[in-house]
Amino acid sequence: SQTIHQWPATLVQPVGSPLSLECTVEGTSNPNLYWYRQAAGRGLQLLFYSVGIGQISSEVPQNLSASRPQDRQFILSSKKLLLSDSGFYLCAWSVWAPGGENTIYFGEGSWLTVV
Amino acid sequence: AQSVTQLGSHVSVSEGALVLLRCNYSSSVPPYLFWYVQYPNQGLQLLLKYTTGATLVKGINGFEAEFKKSETSFHLTKPSAHMSDAAEYFCAVSEAGRRALTFGSGTRLQVQP
Repeated sequence: SQTIHQWPATLVQPVGSPLSLECTVEGTSNPNLYWYRQAAGRGLQLLFYSVGIGQISSEVPQNLSASRPQDRQFILSSKKLLLSDSGFYLCAWSVWAPGGENTIYFGEGSWLTVV
Repeated sequence: AQSVTQLGSHVSVSEGALVLLRCNYSSSVPPYLFWYVQYPNQGLQLLLKYTTGATLVKGINGFEAEFKKSETSFHLTKPSAHMSDAAEYFCAVSEAGRRALTFGSGTRLQVQP
């Protein structure tokens, strides 16, 4: 069966510091990979998605970036964090089903607090 | 463009009462529809989904949802609420060929003893 791992689970970082959140998926190949952010009291915002190694699509312009160095690895980064980057970050994966259905499965999330 | 509206950011029910969480969507083509549940400090877990076929979909933990095309709705129900159902619930929509889901803003369900 497929599993998704995301780390670290909790992170407290000062303003202006770098960020690296990592995510790996096991049990599947060539998945679609996603980073979502959930700010306090708000819904989910899609940040990035990737359909293959080195292929990244950005949904929202910001000071975050994403990379996919391997088929099942997805990394969320920032060179300098802002207070507004605080939130709950969720990695997710999916594979295409016949008919174009695309069910997304989520990791456990990473809490980022920028202080 | 697809969108999702969840009516009621907070819903409170008594234990044993009916749970009804509302979701309306807009989509230019027949949609795929999903409900996810999020427990505190955890990721989202898939409750159920509608792709094609039977419009009444059964999911985990006794939940079900009915796709009503004429009403563009996909409301989530459970006949009898349990304390463990307290969580946030998200409705989401996708269209064939789209890579990402569009989520509603979520409904927090409180279950009173």
